Amino acid sequence: TQLLEQSPQFLSIQEGENLTVYCNSSSVFSSLQWYRQEPGEGPVLLVTVVTGGEVKKLKRLTFQFGDARKDSSLHITAAQPGDTGLYLCAGEGTGGGADGLTFGKGTHLIIQP
Amino acid sequence: DSGVTQTPKHLITATGQRVTLRCSPRSGDLSVYWYQQSLDQGLQFLIQYYNGEERAKGNILERFSAQQFPDLHSELNLSSLELGDSALYFCASSDGDRDNEKLFFGSGTQLSVL
Repeated sequence: TQLLEQSPQFLSIQEGENLTVYCNSSSVFSSLQWYRQEPGEGPVLLVTVVTGGEVKKLKRLTFQFGDARKDSSLHITAAQPGDTGLYLCAGEGTGGGADGLTFGKGTHLIIQP
Repeated sequence: DSGVTQTPKHLITATGQRVTLRCSPRSGDLSVYWYQQSLDQGLQFLIQYYNGEERAKGNILERFSAQQFPDLHSELNLSSLELGDSALYFCASSDGDRDNEKLFFGSGTQLSVL
């Protein structure tokens, strides 16, 4: 069973600060996705990273896939209250079949004004 | 709005009962996925259908079953409900059948088993 560990579990910071959240596994993934989920809503896809070492930027969010494709990080610069939410990473297995994504339990992020 | 519609939004029932959750995928999407989200387990993949056929199976209990109809909507049936089945149940859709497809999630059905 492939597991994704996300850290920290909870993070509360002030508006304008920078932060990094992590998604780690002992397993290799073909690709990794990051989602943001707000209360009462389903997760919304932010980005998919496929290549080891890949870096993708989405405005103030920077996503990196580890060289060995076992881990990923999300860095937010100058966090805003609108960034508040549950950040989930999800990995695609290397089995070649459709096994469904493996999700981490998420990082609950609160940005205080 | 993701374009994925789930009904009902909330469901309260008793142990031992059976319920049906309904999902309408985005227009044109052939794949439907069901996920269960709880505080302790996070988001768990249950099952995927692609164009009416079961495509992948995850941690779905034998008491649970699903199907996808010719019009591509899907239903998740939960029977002999237990307290531990209380959770948020999400449906997601995508246009393909690969795991790296972009998933569009509905707003979920909050199931409370009392």
